[in-house]
Amino acid sequence: AQSVTQPDIHITVSEGASLELRCNYSYGATPYLFWYVQSPGQGLQLLLKYFSGDTLVQGIKGFEAEFKRSQSSFNLRKPSVHWSDAAEYFCAVAPNGGATNTLIFGTGTLLAVQP
Amino acid sequence: DAGVIQSPRHEVTEMGQEVTLRCKPISGHNSLFWYRQTMMRGLELLIYFNNNVPIDDSGMPEDRFSAKMPNASFSTLKIQPSEPRDSAVYFCASSLGAKNIQYFGAGTRLSVL
Repeated sequence: AQSVTQPDIHITVSEGASLELRCNYSYGATPYLFWYVQSPGQGLQLLLKYFSGDTLVQGIKGFEAEFKRSQSSFNLRKPSVHWSDAAEYFCAVAPNGGATNTLIFGTGTLLAVQP
Repeated sequence: DAGVIQSPRHEVTEMGQEVTLRCKPISGHNSLFWYRQTMMRGLELLIYFNNNVPIDDSGMPEDRFSAKMPNASFSTLKIQPSEPRDSAVYFCASSLGAKNIQYFGAGTRLSVL
């Protein structure tokens, strides 16, 4: 079945430490890929997106993500986490290059940041 | 741009009452999406519109739910009658074009007592 998997439900990191949030998808064709962030009581904000080309994409707030076709992954990274990064992070996929006009969301990873 | 605007931000109602949630998409966007978020089920797509026309409503849980988009700048999601299990945060999102970059509103937190 087509799916988006975020294997880590909850992650805790120390402020200043590096971060990597995992995302795997199971679709045949190369999909469009997105990461969103949701702060408490807020809507989802787009962090970054991948459509084609360079597999390392830069986003807002110092985040980046790398598309690896061989692993069907699109992991989110940040070299140094700030306390304000504590939030829930969602990976999303538009299957078939966006042909269906919908997004499939992962279940989210809740990030806690320790001082 | 003001972004996607949802109202109300919070709604508390009693079981059996009608609830109407409202959404104003980003000006110029041609697709609009309604989602429901709960702890148990995560983020679920309820229905989406292209150019004001409903395209896929397979996510609408029951006939108690209905959605309309009378024009390009306004959409409603109605629940009648409401039930406690409808308690959730409802998000509206809009996008433009094939790249489907969706922009979300701040959501409506619905509590049905």
